[in-house]
Amino acid sequence: QVQLVESGGGVVQPGGSLRLSCAASGFPFSPYAMHWVRQTPGKGLQWVSAISHDGANKYYADSVKGRFSISRDDSKSTLYLQMSSLTIDDTAVYYCARDNGHWSPYYWGQGSLVIVSS
Amino acid sequence: QSVLTQPPSASGTPGQRVTISCSGSSSNIGSNYVYWYQHLPGTAPKVLIFRNNQRPSGVPDRFSGSKSGTSASLAITGLRSEDEADYYCAAWDDTLSGHVVFGGGTKLTVL
Repeated sequence: QVQLVESGGGVVQPGGSLRLSCAASGFPFSPYAMHWVRQTPGKGLQWVSAISHDGANKYYADSVKGRFSISRDDSKSTLYLQMSSLTIDDTAVYYCARDNGHWSPYYWGQGSLVIVSS
Repeated sequence: QSVLTQPPSASGTPGQRVTISCSGSSSNIGSNYVYWYQHLPGTAPKVLIFRNNQRPSGVPDRFSGSKSGTSASLAITGLRSEDEADYYCAAWDDTLSGHVVFGGGTKLTVL
């Protein structure tokens, strides 16, 4: 079955950087677009970024554009989110999700908590 | 403020029918598929409806989705206590070189 396991979360100071990883298994990774979605404390789901199946197209929410970078390594079936210039507002649980062919998250991981705090 | 508009809360008693609305615009719901997710705290969100009205295998037929113009709705019939959760709608939006937009979420309480 489809499994998505996020890692790399933790506590980081404002202005710092962090890289999240998402290890995928149970399906062929390369044919699918992938997403990152976050949930900030007490708030709803917020889409962060997406990458096409071939890595050629990348999309970002305005709130993270220029600070976050999405990438993928198909040889490792792994999705990444490089986060820099982090602010307190980036504190959230970050979910990795697989697309299903229509540019919306379908299968989701359990999430990785990122806390930005001094 | 979310691009898609959902009521913040909904409620019903066991066995009742509940609907949750999701309002958008021509650049998202009006021209792309709507997805619905169920989210319990501390767990991975789960897709309930994809492509406006399709149910993944394993999702009970008590859950159904519909779309008309720039609005969509999720209906839950035969409400059960385990349906108490947060529900979100989402769709691709064609503006700003493309991005996914979510509703603000609806907290469903089973009384």
